[in-house]
Amino acid sequence: DQQVKQNSPSLSVQEGRISILNCDYTNSMFDYFLWYKKYPAEGPTFLISISSIKDKNEDGRFTVFLNKSAKHLSLHIVPSQPGDSAVYFCAAILNSGGYQKVTFGTGTKLQVIP
Amino acid sequence: DGGITQSPKYLFRKEGQNVTLSCEQNLNHDAMYWYRQDPGQGLRLIYYSQIVNDFQKGDIAEGYSVSREKKESFPLTVTSAQKNPTAFYLCASTQGGYSSNTEAFFGQGTRLTVV
Repeated sequence: DQQVKQNSPSLSVQEGRISILNCDYTNSMFDYFLWYKKYPAEGPTFLISISSIKDKNEDGRFTVFLNKSAKHLSLHIVPSQPGDSAVYFCAAILNSGGYQKVTFGTGTKLQVIP
Repeated sequence: DGGITQSPKYLFRKEGQNVTLSCEQNLNHDAMYWYRQDPGQGLRLIYYSQIVNDFQKGDIAEGYSVSREKKESFPLTVTSAQKNPTAFYLCASTQGGYSSNTEAFFGQGTRLTVV
């Protein structure tokens, strides 16, 4: 039962254009959502997060949008740069009774073409 | 500097042998996690622990075991019962269930190869 899904395994974008990475989830009880960037054979690095009570969070070139009614979030990267090429994971955090669990999506490989 | 450390970075194991992957954090985090990544796939949760001496199975716990005797340490043992152990293993930690700090910190990973 995949509670967090990234339906696009890959995405190619021209340098300077907008990259939009999508993520869907099934559990309406998730409290926070996060985006991570990962290079091969390295640990993921944190990019940006959003609380379930908000609908937008922006940090530099990265903006995350949350649509709770659709159980959908997206990461926008503007403008896209070749160094953004990596695998991007969305993650959801559930806090329940003092317990915290992080669930990751399957990842989207972004290629930014110079 | 605070962080999370996995060792070794590369590990080779003969079939039929158990092997233990180390994960240590000095972030004073309560929750720790083990994930597995296979080529072209996402991060799948093996085990996680919220507090010392407590842990829960994730989605693919079969063939793995863990312990949480200390807050800082969450070692993962890949047993001979794990059918396809060759993979990239990632350890992570978060502050814990009542924290407003949501970021998960990751180690650099251990590449396990069964030979």
